[in-house]
Amino acid sequence: GESVGLHLPTLSVQEGDNSIINCAYSNSASDYFIWYKQESGKGPQFIIDIRSNMDKRQGQRVTVLLNKTVKHLSLQIAATQPGDSAVYFCAENMAQGGSEKLVFGKGTKLTVNP
Amino acid sequence: NAGVMQNPRHLVRRRGQEARLRCSPMKGHSHVYWYRQLPEEGLKFMVYLQKENIIDESGMPKERFSAEFPKEGPSILRIQQVVRGDSAAYFCASSLTGQGASYEQYFGPGTRLTVT
Repeated sequence: GESVGLHLPTLSVQEGDNSIINCAYSNSASDYFIWYKQESGKGPQFIIDIRSNMDKRQGQRVTVLLNKTVKHLSLQIAATQPGDSAVYFCAENMAQGGSEKLVFGKGTKLTVNP
Repeated sequence: NAGVMQNPRHLVRRRGQEARLRCSPMKGHSHVYWYRQLPEEGLKFMVYLQKENIIDESGMPKERFSAEFPKEGPSILRIQQVVRGDSAAYFCASSLTGQGASYEQYFGPGTRLTVT
């Protein structure tokens, strides 16, 4: 079946380094992708999104890259801080039969070492 | 502007009991989504509702699970005759519209259901 998945389940970086979290998706018809951050015991928090007519989008300290050719999505966090430690999920918007829903990957746990 | 609210935050039920999870969307949002998250897993879509209508329930188990979003009041996810496998975190999200530029889903803090 179609799914969104992640290459690495865990990532450990030093404070101040840049972090790159990757995601592979399989539904070539998906037109909208989102990265969420989930801290322990909390709900997912929107970080940044990108539509399929773009290949790059930047926010504050974060950049999302979309490569439709290989169906790959990545999240780059600049100057990673301890507060960035969390699980990061990519999600794709799947539109079927008049309904729209998000399909989530399993997540990458980011640990930032001081 | 209050965010998405869910209650209770933690719920413990014995096998065979009923669990009722409540979700109040953000003010002005009329689209509600329920997701289930098992430990160390991503969120799995369960159901998408608008006021008084179920739009997509393709992720709902065929038995024991039901959802509603009445004209007045919160959205309710109901699990009858709970089993241990129902233990999970249940998240609700709301959006202003069902698609397009205002589609962004905002998530609540979740209800953690434990079945003993």
